[in-house]
Amino acid sequence: GAVVSQHPSRVICKSGTSVKIECRSLDFQATTMFWYRQFPKKSLMLMATSNEGSKATYEQGVEKDKFLINHASLTLSTLTVTSAHPEDSSFYICSATSGGADTQYFGPGTRLTVL
Amino acid sequence: QQPVQSPQAVILREGEDAVINCSSSKALYSVHWYRQKHGEAPVFLMILLKGGEQKGHEKISASFNEKKQQSSLYLTASQLSYSGTYFCGTEGAGGTSYGKLTFGQGTILTVHP
Repeated sequence: GAVVSQHPSRVICKSGTSVKIECRSLDFQATTMFWYRQFPKKSLMLMATSNEGSKATYEQGVEKDKFLINHASLTLSTLTVTSAHPEDSSFYICSATSGGADTQYFGPGTRLTVL
Repeated sequence: QQPVQSPQAVILREGEDAVINCSSSKALYSVHWYRQKHGEAPVFLMILLKGGEQKGHEKISASFNEKKQQSSLYLTASQLSYSGTYFCGTEGAGGTSYGKLTFGQGTILTVHP
């Protein structure tokens, strides 16, 4: 149980294009999903918290107009990197929880490379 | 506030033990431990919620001190598969974090044959 999927696993795009990353909880309803960014050999940095049916809460320093998050259902959240630039290249990981102090289960991550 | 992990790196031979520490300057609501292999997502190990709590099994266990500011992860009789980066994720006390975790900088564990 508690499986979280992400799609795509790897994406390469040109500078200026937008990329959408999907995060799905496969066997449970995720009231809350989190989006993280991780640079090589670094820790996970929380970007935003996404609750089903409401606007995402972004961490300080994260541009909400650049990183669009939609949590349309209890099993799906999407992160769209708009007008991507090379500095947006990173490993993006989502996690899902059923709420409170419950365990966060992580998706397999999406490696984004912007040329 | 990011928790502080120590040590930054550990090198072991199979069968040896290791302890990884995670400290916060303020009392915490919970501590979550994860292991991440290169290029993969973090895998959940365990969560600690109560001060003075100890949990896990014989090989991998963890403790949470009474003040809920420090947690340790114990790896006993290490195996090659234990290699990876270990992260603690902490949730601040006060009930306003809504499950948000702040992760430490990670501890790189390498187990050699």
